[in-house]
Amino acid sequence: EAQVTQNPRYLITVTGKKLTVTCSQNMNHEYMSWYRQDPGLGLRQIYYSMNVEVTDKGDVPEGYKVSRKEKRNFPLILESPSPNQTSLYFCASSLTGGRSGANVLTFGAGSRLTVL
Amino acid sequence: AQKITQTQPGMFVQEKEAVTLDCTYDTSDPSYGLFWYKQPSSGEMIFLIYQGSYDQQNATEGRYSLNFQKARKSANLVISASQLGDSAMYFCAMRDTGAQKLVFGQGTRLTINP
Repeated sequence: EAQVTQNPRYLITVTGKKLTVTCSQNMNHEYMSWYRQDPGLGLRQIYYSMNVEVTDKGDVPEGYKVSRKEKRNFPLILESPSPNQTSLYFCASSLTGGRSGANVLTFGAGSRLTVL
Repeated sequence: AQKITQTQPGMFVQEKEAVTLDCTYDTSDPSYGLFWYKQPSSGEMIFLIYQGSYDQQNATEGRYSLNFQKARKSANLVISASQLGDSAMYFCAMRDTGAQKLVFGQGTRLTINP
């Protein structure tokens, strides 16, 4: 089944304790992205990657790191989490980064993170 | 800069009625794509329908159709014969040629009453 898998789905952690949210896709997609969802704000892009070893900042990159060493994986790293990073996080992928209908973003199931 | 506006935070509709969810957008790029996603209470994001800026006809997918009015920069989602399972948050989103992201609106929470 074509899918984006992210783990963990739920996590409660404390301020300053480094954590990684993994993301993997099995569709051979070039483009991958991380979003965070907060009430009233919709989804906002954190980082994206056009292909292996190519990453760039989105709208809200502060406090996050990413890497794209393999095409299928795009982990999100919080080096020193803070309470304002409490949010619902989505990993997503598409064939390429273009605007066409062929590039529908497929989303993972989401990771709900709470930082105390 | 791209912007998506959904002005209806919440809507309540009787089962079997048609419902229109509003979406307006702003971009200076003549080439763009508009997407609608559904987010049920379980949290996942489900793609519903796509409209390209150069598409001549309004997109349709089963009970979903997109009322695309390019001059007014609106891309409203129409759900015909609503069902209880349509209760969810709905997001309008846009991707243009230059931006490497899907820009989302704030969402509309739709509740279908029996």
